[in-house]
Amino acid sequence: GQQVMQIPQYQHVQEGEDFTTYCNSSTTLSNIQWYKQRPGGHPVFLIQLVKSGEVKKQKRLTFQFGEAKKNSSLHITATQTTDVGTYFCAGNYGNKLVFGAGTILRVKS
Amino acid sequence: DVKVTQSSRYLVKRTGEKVFLECVQDMDHENMFWYRQDPGLGLRLIYFSYDVKMKEKGDIPEGYSVSREKKERFSLILESASTNQTSMYLCASSLGLGDGYTFGSGTRLTVV
Repeated sequence: GQQVMQIPQYQHVQEGEDFTTYCNSSTTLSNIQWYKQRPGGHPVFLIQLVKSGEVKKQKRLTFQFGEAKKNSSLHITATQTTDVGTYFCAGNYGNKLVFGAGTILRVKS
Repeated sequence: DVKVTQSSRYLVKRTGEKVFLECVQDMDHENMFWYRQDPGLGLRLIYFSYDVKMKEKGDIPEGYSVSREKKERFSLILESASTNQTSMYLCASSLGLGDGYTFGSGTRLTVV
């Protein structure tokens, strides 16, 4: 079945450092979505990328969708303690969303 | 804002019990989903529904069933709870199949 691989599984950064998480699919995606789950919370939708090569920004967060629509990344510039949580990508294969395993981000202040 | 409400935040049930998890959304979304979340495994789709009385199996439907009698309500049923069904259960809804999902707060189910 469809799978979305997400790396790294875990990252611990110093406050102010950058952070990146990557997602890869073996097959072409209709779109890719990103979610954030705070500790003890539920996933919250951040953004959706649809077009090949698309780049979107939300303040310090930059989202990219690969040219082949098989991979994506989320980059956070100058992390803050409020960025802690698990970041999930989710690949849309037409009528089904498949989630990556998530990247847990911890930020040391 | 769309709100997805799950009836219980925490549940403890005994092995063999029939368990009902309820989910209600208030924004007339067509699609509703049930996921379970386990450490290291991410979110895995159990069942989804794209219309009233319609249901589709997800990746791990064994041991579960669902009911969608009304558009706003999607119920997950554990026919005979087992310890390996101890998990966090998340309900979600979306307007269209390609749209972002709104999740409920989750139900942490423990089967003893």
